Amino acid sequence: NAGVTQTPKFQVLKTGQSMTLQCAQDMNHNSMYWYRQDPGMGLRLIYYSASEGTTDKGEVPNGYNVSRLNKREFSLRLESAAPSQTSVYFCASRLDIGGYTFGSGTRLTVV
Amino acid sequence: QKEVEQDPGPLSVPEGAIVSLNCTYSNSAFQYFMWYRQYSRKGPELLMYTYSSGNKEDGRFTAQVDKSSKYISLFIRDSQPSDSATYLCAMSDMGRRALTFGSGTRLQVQP
Repeated sequence: NAGVTQTPKFQVLKTGQSMTLQCAQDMNHNSMYWYRQDPGMGLRLIYYSASEGTTDKGEVPNGYNVSRLNKREFSLRLESAAPSQTSVYFCASRLDIGGYTFGSGTRLTVV
Repeated sequence: QKEVEQDPGPLSVPEGAIVSLNCTYSNSAFQYFMWYRQYSRKGPELLMYTYSSGNKEDGRFTAQVDKSSKYISLFIRDSQPSDSATYLCAMSDMGRRALTFGSGTRLQVQP
């Protein structure tokens, strides 16, 4: 049972480049989430999807887009990367009300 | 002011000590309270999950919720070097689809 799988694990981008972070879960969870984690700021919600076909903005959505491709997959896209988007990105999922299962994270550096 | 406040530490204790980790919050609608443990360069993992007020015990870990004071605690008994990690509190209300996290407390248990 893989849980939540994120790819890639590391990425370096130049300012203005685009990329998509991939996330897949195999636990048949309904809800999926993207957070970013920065020193001293904790985990901040970027976007979430309460169910297949729906997405909603979180606390820090600017500069990001998401796609809930199906029940398993939830991707995060940076259209034009900026140095302020240097962070560790975590995908998470949960069945209903309850604790999240997190992926292992993507370390992104924008130079 | 953040909705959830958590002392960032670091908190350094000797092996075998009792550790107390705390969070305060401002939103009286929060009903679900969780503690996550995050090792360096890993994703957070769920440690404890409680609903509303009261205590919950699981092995060496005890979670307490005092809704009247808007204060939650995690106690670790007989702390071990393997407990060295960052501990994040998280909470949500009945209707909200996503968790709100504290910024985390870094704990070091010295052998």
